[in-house]
Amino acid sequence: QLQLQESGSGLVKPSQTLSLTCAVSGGSLSSGDYSWGWLRQSPGQGLECIGYNYRDGTNYCSPSLKSRVIISLDRSKNQFSLNLISVTAADTAVYYCAGASGGWAFDIWGQGTLVTVSS
Amino acid sequence: QSALTQPASVSGSPGQSITFSCTGTSSDVGSFNFVSWYQQHPGKAPKLIIYEGTNRPSGVSNRFSGSKSGNTASLTISGLRAEDEAEYFCSSYAGGTIMVFGGGTKLTVL
Repeated sequence: QLQLQESGSGLVKPSQTLSLTCAVSGGSLSSGDYSWGWLRQSPGQGLECIGYNYRDGTNYCSPSLKSRVIISLDRSKNQFSLNLISVTAADTAVYYCAGASGGWAFDIWGQGTLVTVSS
Repeated sequence: QSALTQPASVSGSPGQSITFSCTGTSSDVGSFNFVSWYQQHPGKAPKLIIYEGTNRPSGVSNRFSGSKSGNTASLTISGLRAEDEAEYFCSSYAGGTIMVFGGGTKLTVL
């Protein structure tokens, strides 16, 4: 059974780059026909889809974040990553990595990691 | 402000049926059969409970069901249980590569 685990810095300074990695276990990043993506949830707020990688192409779920998002896959390490550049306090959130096997629904989730943007 | 509109909270008693609404527009919910529902307990990751509007993933109780009418999607929980107390989010494909979410509804089981 596929499992996901986020890792990365929990504190990022304003204007810097937020970098997170999602390790895939219990299977291969290349197994099935999955999209691998990132979502976030600001404190007390709803969910926001950031973007996802499908068949080595990056798609952006949120037009407002598109210009600042880089999502990449490392099949040799069985992991994928998120880089969000030029962060501000508004980017403070719990970040989740997730997998979608189809139908625009994320059926596998990491446990989430809190990232705080503060000087 | 979230793209899809959900009531902030609902409550019900054990054994009752309860329905959550998720209102979008003709550009998202109304145009596509790709509405999903997620259940999130405090401090936990969301869990997919309905996809493509009406389908349940393997292992999800048949007490959960989804439907859609026009620009509004609905999630119904029948036979309400204490463990159903959680926050419920809806999402919808909105064309291109866009996916939108609702702000979530907190369910209280009285």
